[in-house]
Amino acid sequence: AQTVTQSQPEMSVQEAETVTLSCTYDTSESDYYLFWYKQPPSRQMILVIRQEAYKQQNATENRFSVNFQKAAKSFSLKISDSQLGDAAMYFCAYKGYSGAGSYQLTFGKGTKLSVIP
Amino acid sequence: EPEVTQTPSHQVTQMGQEVILRCVPISNHLYFYWYRQILGQKVEFLVSFYNNEISEKSEIFDDQFSVERPDGSNFTLKIRSTKLEDSAMYFCASSPQGDQPQHFGDGTRLSIL
Repeated sequence: AQTVTQSQPEMSVQEAETVTLSCTYDTSESDYYLFWYKQPPSRQMILVIRQEAYKQQNATENRFSVNFQKAAKSFSLKISDSQLGDAAMYFCAYKGYSGAGSYQLTFGKGTKLSVIP
Repeated sequence: EPEVTQTPSHQVTQMGQEVILRCVPISNHLYFYWYRQILGQKVEFLVSFYNNEISEKSEIFDDQFSVERPDGSNFTLKIRSTKLEDSAMYFCASSPQGDQPQHFGDGTRLSIL
């Protein structure tokens, strides 16, 4: 079974600074998808960014970017120019390739990010 | 932008009662999912649904749980005889295809008394 590990239960960052959230995963599959979801205090789940494992180029969405290291099974999220609205719980998630017949997301335990004004 | 909508936002139910959580997935999506998040814990997969049948379910999804798509828009999760440990946030999600990103609703907070 796949597992997703987020080793940082809590992180803090100064407003306008950069922060990196860590995620590692374990899988025997070669094709899969990785995601970062944001969960603010309102508790909705918002997709931040995704990465296909077959793509070597790291995904970027505005201030959010990932460092995907397939061999190391590492998928970290970098938030640049942090804003107060970035304060939330961040979940790393894994999804196997559809050819394996499984579409469920496997989530890590989350990292609570605080942004200091 | 289209959204997944869930109702109610908060449901309070007596232990042993049946509860139905409702979801309206994004209209052109074909895959539907339920996840659960017990307070302070990670989000856990319950079930996925495609072509009017369950395509995958987790160990959590036992006989007290069922899902249904009663019409062309709603997707429901029924818990037959609720237990205290069913108290959690329940998220519905949908995706256009199985290998595309899942879009989540705002969740239903279920409190069992």
